[in-house]
Order: sequence, then C-alpha cells, then structure tokens
Amino acid sequence: NAGVTQTPKFQVLKTGQSMTLQCAQDMNHEYMSWYRQDPGMGLRLIHYSVGAGITDQGEVPNGYNVSRSTTEDFPLRLLSAAPSQTSVYFCASSPAYNEQFFGPGTRLTVL
Amino acid sequence: AQSVAQPEDQVNVAEGNPLTVKCTYSVSGNPYLFWYVQYPNRGLQFLLKYITGDNLVKGSYGFEAEFNKSQTSFHLKKPSALVSDSALYFCAVREGSSGTYKYIFGTGTRLKVLA
Repeated sequence: NAGVTQTPKFQVLKTGQSMTLQCAQDMNHEYMSWYRQDPGMGLRLIHYSVGAGITDQGEVPNGYNVSRSTTEDFPLRLLSAAPSQTSVYFCASSPAYNEQFFGPGTRLTVL
Repeated sequence: AQSVAQPEDQVNVAEGNPLTVKCTYSVSGNPYLFWYVQYPNRGLQFLLKYITGDNLVKGSYGFEAEFNKSQTSFHLKKPSALVSDSALYFCAVREGSSGTYKYIFGTGTRLKVLA
C-alpha cells in the first residue's frame, strides 16, 4: 500500500493564481480531510469528507474548494491564491472513528 | 464546539528522565482522543488513542497516555525519555457522537530531550 500520497511536494504561486493540490489514498478509507499547518497554530481543518459525494467545511474553509468523486481521491482547490495561504498542507484519511493516516505534505508559497 | 489545548509550547527533559506532555479537551459528547508525533519535514504519525475502556492507554515507542474524564485531560507520558523522542507532539479530539467527523488538533508541543 502506498498509503496517503500528495502532489506536488513544493509549489510557488503568484497572488491570484489557481491550483489544485492532489491527495489520494489506497486504503479504502471513508474519511478524508485537509489541514493547513502554520507556526504556533497547529493543524487547522480546512475541509473534510465522510465518503464519496459528501464534503463539509472545517475551521478555515474560505478560499478553498473540495470535491470527492471517488473514495480514493480528495483534491483541494485554491481558487485565487493569496499570501495568507502560504502554509504546509496535509491530507489525511481514516476509517470511521479511528486514527488518521497523514500524507507527507505540500509546502505552498504564495508571492 | 470541541477544542483541544496544549498549554506548553515546549517541554525540555533530560535523557532518561520521565516526560509528560499535557493535553486538555472540550467536547459535548464522549471524546475520542489521539496523540500524534511529527518529525522535521514529515507528516504526522499516530502514537496512541483512547476510544473507550482502560484509562491508561499504551502506544508506540514506549509512550502511554492517561485519560482523566473529571479533569478532561489526556496527558502523554513516557517513563524514560530518549534523545530520539525529540519532535513535535499533537493532541487531537474527535467528538464521539454519530455524524460528527471533525478531528480538532491542539497547537502542538515541541519536546526537546537533552543528552
């Protein structure tokens, strides 16, 4: 099993550009989520999904969109990047009510 | 709303001494509690969890945690710290009621084990 994979590992964007962070898992987990990690603020939940076709907002959803068309994939879209979105992004998956498995992260810089 | 507090930004401990990393939580239902560790430039790795049952939970790498319902705490402990335990530790809570799938994380505690 590859576990949770994320692409790209690094990305630099200019303000106003859009992009999609990819996340995939091969463990058939129902639950997937996106977090951003900023110094001193821990991990903050952006969006999550409890299954294909079902998504919901987390603590900091503004500026981000998600969709879940398959169990395996959960992409995160930045519609119009802003410097405040400079962060490290982590995707995670889990069976219901259990611990999460995290991807290696994407380091995003918005200039 | 559920929340997690890790009151210490950093904990320093000498190698061989016991360590404690503190975590308190707030949820409206039964809590599902987790500890994760993050090494530099890596994703988070699961250490241990409390779902139900014994209040003392044992996990990976010799770590354990004690669930205290009256104090709403879930402190991480290890009897004898190793230099290799130095990392960033996160406590997380998931509310146990059905349909609520949010996992909320604390701000993290940096553990530094001194040789």
